[in-house]
This record gives sequence, structure tokens and C-alpha cells, in this order.
Amino acid sequence: DTGVSQDPRHKITKRGQNVTFRCDPISEHNRLYWYRQTLGQGPEFLTYFQNEAQLEKSRLLSDRFSAERPKGSFSTLEIQRTEQGDSAMYLCASSLVISGANVLTFGAGSRLTVL
Amino acid sequence: TQLLEQSPQFLSIQEGENLTVYCNSSSVFSSLQWYRQEPGEGPVLLVTVVTGGEVKKLKRLTFQFGDARKDSSLHITAAQPGDTGLYLCAGTIGASGTYKYIFGTGTRLKVLA
Repeated sequence: DTGVSQDPRHKITKRGQNVTFRCDPISEHNRLYWYRQTLGQGPEFLTYFQNEAQLEKSRLLSDRFSAERPKGSFSTLEIQRTEQGDSAMYLCASSLVISGANVLTFGAGSRLTVL
Repeated sequence: TQLLEQSPQFLSIQEGENLTVYCNSSSVFSSLQWYRQEPGEGPVLLVTVVTGGEVKKLKRLTFQFGDARKDSSLHITAAQPGDTGLYLCAGTIGASGTYKYIFGTGTRLKVLA
């Protein structure tokens, strides 16, 4: 399977703990995106990378959130000192420009529950 | 600030009815995509529209991109229970060379048998 992989699919943690999510994009895609989604809402943009460079970060990405893509391949999203409000689905996508359109392919997401 | 507004937010209809979902923005998009998302899964791409005024059909789904590339619509003919899901529009904004990609607020559709 050459799709976008996310790990873990589900994470339950206690408030105050740190969590890390991993995303493995489609290998030939050079852009990688992270989103947060709460139930019934559209995904909210967090950040994106072009190769290893983090080009834009949302204000939603507070000091407790950090994303890396050290070698321009897989990426990690770490949340430190988790809060109950961090409970959400965290989606990763990678993209390729096809006929002038930036087309994203999504992973299945990592669902975080903070108790 | 949500730059892409979708309406309606929720829609519950009977099987066989037609419906239209709207996606509106004050920003110009170089391209726009529509996705459908099932619970617990990531969004799945339905269509990409690039040219202002473009119309694309995918079986019972018709997608239109506004002439000014600021809005789009999704029309479903004779809806079926399998069409139930969260419909999302999305697109790339920003200056040339940047690829920030944002989503609409979403339309949750339920088709009753």
C-alpha cells in the first residue's frame, strides 16, 4: 500500500502527558500537511512542509505543539502537556501538483482522547 | 477565521431527493476540491475543479466552480443512503509558490431510506 500512513490510529492519554503522532506520506509527494478535526467540523489547518522546510504554521499551533519533518520524508506531530481541549482527530496529508492543482491525499487520522 | 463557508451545515433528506451544497469564499482559489469523509476516516477526494465556470460530473454528482473562482457547488441527484457523509470543499490559497490548503466548514448529509 503506497498511501499515507498514520500511527497510532488511536491514543488515549491523561491530561499533562506528552503524545507524538507519526505520518508517512506518499514517497513522491514533497508537501506534507497536518490538520486537526473535531466532530462534524471541517479540518483546521495546523502546518505544512515542503520537503523538510516548515513553510507555514497556524496560530492554532500553540507553544505546546511542534511538528518536524527532519529528512523530508516522514513527519511527527508532538503535543506536550496535553489538555482535554486537544482531544480531536489529527489528520496528515501529502500532496502533489497535478495539472496545476495541488491535490492532497489523506491518511486515516490519529484520534486523540485526553482524559 | 474560516475563509471557506459551506451551506447548509446539516441536511437530512429522503432517498431520491435532490440537493445542493454551496461553498463560498471572498478569496480566489487556484483550484478547489470536494471531499467526502466517513466517520473515523480521512477525507476522500471526489473531484478537482481548476477553471472558472468549470462543470464536472461524477455519476449523480455535479460540481461547479464559480466564474471568479471564489465559490463552488455540489449537486446530488436522486440521493441514496450511501451518499450519507460529511462533504468538504477545500482549496489552496496564498501567493504564488505557497501551498496553504484550507477546508470549508463542512456539510453533514444524511439520506434516509
